[in-house]
Amino acid sequence: GAVVSQHPSWVICKSGTSVKIECRSLDFQATTMFWYRQFPKQSLMLMATSNEGSKATYEQGVEKDKFLINHASLTLSTLTVTSAHPEDSSFYICSASKRQLYGYTFGSGTRLTVV
Amino acid sequence: GENVEQHPSTLSVQEGDSAVIKCTYSDSASNYFPWYKQELGKRPQLIIDIRSNVGEKKDQRIAVTLNKTAKHFSLHITETQPEDSAVYFCAASIGGNYGQNFVFGPGTRLSVLP
Repeated sequence: GAVVSQHPSWVICKSGTSVKIECRSLDFQATTMFWYRQFPKQSLMLMATSNEGSKATYEQGVEKDKFLINHASLTLSTLTVTSAHPEDSSFYICSASKRQLYGYTFGSGTRLTVV
Repeated sequence: GENVEQHPSTLSVQEGDSAVIKCTYSDSASNYFPWYKQELGKRPQLIIDIRSNVGEKKDQRIAVTLNKTAKHFSLHITETQPEDSAVYFCAASIGGNYGQNFVFGPGTRLSVLP
């Protein structure tokens, strides 16, 4: 199979603090992982593409200094929301694909609430 | 860039009836079209996919059809059950290479009424 683990599943933080979200591919190596953001009742919106060993590619309108992405190994990518504000409250989901296969497996998602 | 539209945004059917969700895409280079089911608060789950060299694919009660010329593809669910209630997202690959990302449709909230 292709299992993607994401932690934490939910987090509440104070405004101005930073939050780190981890995305791990448990049984395969993922050279590329993707980070999405999903507001209530809306679709998945790609934030950035995380490539192992190189800088992430951010979508237009996504602040790279605010959403720091690190893909240090073939099985781990992290998203750090820096200086979080209430408007950053959202559902963040990562996904990864197993080589030779199309399609993606999504992490379980992280519900971030900034108070 | 790729643009994916999805209709309807909400759909209610009686248990046992069929449900059809339609999507259109704009990039003729797209060659892979997955469908995801997302239950409330959970991760999207791939339920079926189709590649551009195939016109139809079926998996038990779920089928997907693709019309490359018209650039639209549809999800068909037969004999719907209450557990089919969820939000369904279609997606189209950006470009034709493996590893490319997807653009998702806005989603369809399906409610199966017992």
